[in-house]
Amino acid sequence: EPEVTQTPSHQVTQMGQEVILRCVPISNHLYFYWYRQILGQKVEFLVSFYNNEISEKSEIFDDQFSVERPDGSNFTLKIRSTKLEDSAMYFCASSAGDRGQPQHFGDGTRLSIL
Amino acid sequence: AQSVTQLGSHVSVSEGALVLLRCNYSSSVPPYLFWYVQYPNQGLQLLLKYTSAATLVKGINGFEAEFKKSETSFHLTKPSAHMSDAAEYFCAVTSHGGAQKLVFGQGTRLTINP
Repeated sequence: EPEVTQTPSHQVTQMGQEVILRCVPISNHLYFYWYRQILGQKVEFLVSFYNNEISEKSEIFDDQFSVERPDGSNFTLKIRSTKLEDSAMYFCASSAGDRGQPQHFGDGTRLSIL
Repeated sequence: AQSVTQLGSHVSVSEGALVLLRCNYSSSVPPYLFWYVQYPNQGLQLLLKYTSAATLVKGINGFEAEFKKSETSFHLTKPSAHMSDAAEYFCAVTSHGGAQKLVFGQGTRLTINP
């Protein structure tokens, strides 16, 4: 069964550094998402992406964050100048459509900011 | 705005007993509802979804959920718990149209006692 893959599984970065989290969505999916889960808290929506542009973003997704689909297969989340509070599990998801189509999630990248 | 409340952050049942995980939602428009399961160190796996067809929805691993509009509920049940059901369960809501972002509940950790 096709799956969403995320790399790396764990990223440790010094505060203030830039990180790029990578995702390969399911190949025929059109909608892409990033979510994060701070330890002990609920999964929170960050951003959705369709047709090469952001569809919606949460208030968490400020100027520090950006997303890109550079080559038609990868979907990346960049965090500039990381902060301690960016430490979380980041999940990528993709779906085939927008009418109740389920989102399929990757295993996540655990980001630890020191 | 949509929201999800999962009653009980921890639920513990005996192997073979009924599993009942509660989910109530708030939505000003007809919702799509989902249950996801998360095993340790893994991503979110779709258990089942409600998309305005049958109100009783059957999912994988013997789970099912019933949509009750009058109670704004979408509780997850399984008649007989198995040790392998131990995991974290998330209820999520999204709406018809739009970016289809998922709004998650806090999650319920299910423990199965031998």
